[in-house]
Amino acid sequence: KNQVEQSPQSLIILEGKNCTLQCNYTVSPFSNLRWYKQDTGRGPVSLTIMTFSENTKSNGRYTATLDADTKQSSLHITASQLSDSASYICVVSVSGGYNKLIFGAGTRLAVHP
Amino acid sequence: EPEVTQTPSHQVTQMGQEVILRCVPISNHLYFYWYRQILGQKVEFLVSFYNNEISEKSEIFDDQFSVERPDGSNFTLKIRSTKLEDSAMYFCASSSGTGSYEQYFGPGTRLTVT
Repeated sequence: KNQVEQSPQSLIILEGKNCTLQCNYTVSPFSNLRWYKQDTGRGPVSLTIMTFSENTKSNGRYTATLDADTKQSSLHITASQLSDSASYICVVSVSGGYNKLIFGAGTRLAVHP
Repeated sequence: EPEVTQTPSHQVTQMGQEVILRCVPISNHLYFYWYRQILGQKVEFLVSFYNNEISEKSEIFDDQFSVERPDGSNFTLKIRSTKLEDSAMYFCASSSGTGSYEQYFGPGTRLTVT
C-alpha cells in the first residue's frame, strides 16, 4: 500500500533556530517527491519538487533532500521565522497516472519568539 | 499571480442534501483535481479530471460524488446526498501538466454536514 510517513508529528523551536523534518515513503511507482507548507485552514503551497535523480533542492531558507534508495527525504529550515509556523507535508507523486498525490500527515511546526 | 479560487469558503448543509462546491482553476491549466481533508487528518486524493473526463478516482469517490466542467472556467464537485462523514475541507487543484508539474491548490471549502 502506498504510504508516506513523517516525523516528528510536531515540533517547537525558537525563532532563528534551524530544524529538520523527516519523511519516509513506500510509494510505487515513484514519480517525484514534494514538500508543501500548509497554514491552518488554507490550501497547501509547494516548497520543492524533486525527481528520483535529484538529491537536493533549495527554495530560500528551505532545503529538501532525497535518497531514492532508502526512500527517505528531509526538509531543513534555516534561521526560522515566526511565519514558518505551519504544517509541513511530504507528498509523493505516483508515476504513470495523472499526478495522483499521496500525502503524509505532516509535521506541525511552531516557531516561538 | 494567477491562483485557484473556490466558492463558497464555508458551506453548512443538512444530511441528505445535495451540495455543489465550485472551483475556478488557473486559466491555461489542463488537469484538475479534488482533494479532501477531514479535520486533523491527511489530505486525501478524490479525483483527477482531464480532457472533460475523469482520469482517475479514489475509493472515496463513490456514486455520491460527481465532477463537471460546465464551461471553460469552472470545475465543480457535487455530492448528491451528504452524510455526516462528508464534513471536511475540500481543496481544488490545477496543473498545466503531469509528472513534475506543480499542482496549485485553492484555499478550500469547509463543508459542514449537520
